[in-house]
Amino acid sequence: AQSVAQPEDQVNVAEGNPLTVKCTYSVSGNPYLFWYVQYPNRGLQFLLKYITGDNLVKGSYGFEAEFNKSQTSFHLKKPSALVSDSALYFCAVRDPPGGDYKLSFGAGTTVTVRA
Amino acid sequence: DADVTQTPRNRITKTGKRIMLECSQTKGHDRMYWYRQDPGLGLRLIYYSFDVKDINKGEISDGYSVSRQAQAKFSLSLESAIPNQTALYFCATSDWDRGQETQYFGPGTRLLVL
Repeated sequence: AQSVAQPEDQVNVAEGNPLTVKCTYSVSGNPYLFWYVQYPNRGLQFLLKYITGDNLVKGSYGFEAEFNKSQTSFHLKKPSALVSDSALYFCAVRDPPGGDYKLSFGAGTTVTVRA
Repeated sequence: DADVTQTPRNRITKTGKRIMLECSQTKGHDRMYWYRQDPGLGLRLIYYSFDVKDINKGEISDGYSVSRQAQAKFSLSLESAIPNQTALYFCATSDWDRGQETQYFGPGTRLLVL
């Protein structure tokens, strides 16, 4: 069965500094990977996804993620964090077609960006 | 996402009561999902529906039931609520891109069972 792990419960950075939220995955076959963000009292919002192609994926709000097959990682990055990026971030993975349909979420990482 | 709405947004109920959480979407998507979110556990799938006549159990369906009244509506029911069903519940729909789904979530329903 597929799974993702987010090794950090919390990430704290200063505004203007680079932000990285880590995610590693375990799947049979090629992975299909997603990042979602949950702002306080809001639903989950789709940020970006990796299906095939370039290992660097660009998404909403200036975020990008790098797919690394050898390290089985899909870390979310932003070059210069904003206070408004403070939120709960979820990594998710789905097996390719023919496998289990299910979207499996990590436990989430709380990001706090201080002014 | 404003195209996926959930009602109510907050609900307090007592143990043993029956409650229904409703989800509506204007995206025209066939697939709809119900998840619950618990701190430290991420999101876990309760039920999913690929179309009006296709409903399937997720990983934690016990104690829940669903109804897909129309393409746009997918309701989640707790027949007899218990305190450990206190959670944040999300409805989602999905579309397809290059053979893969992307899910879009509603704003969530916060449920407290006393």
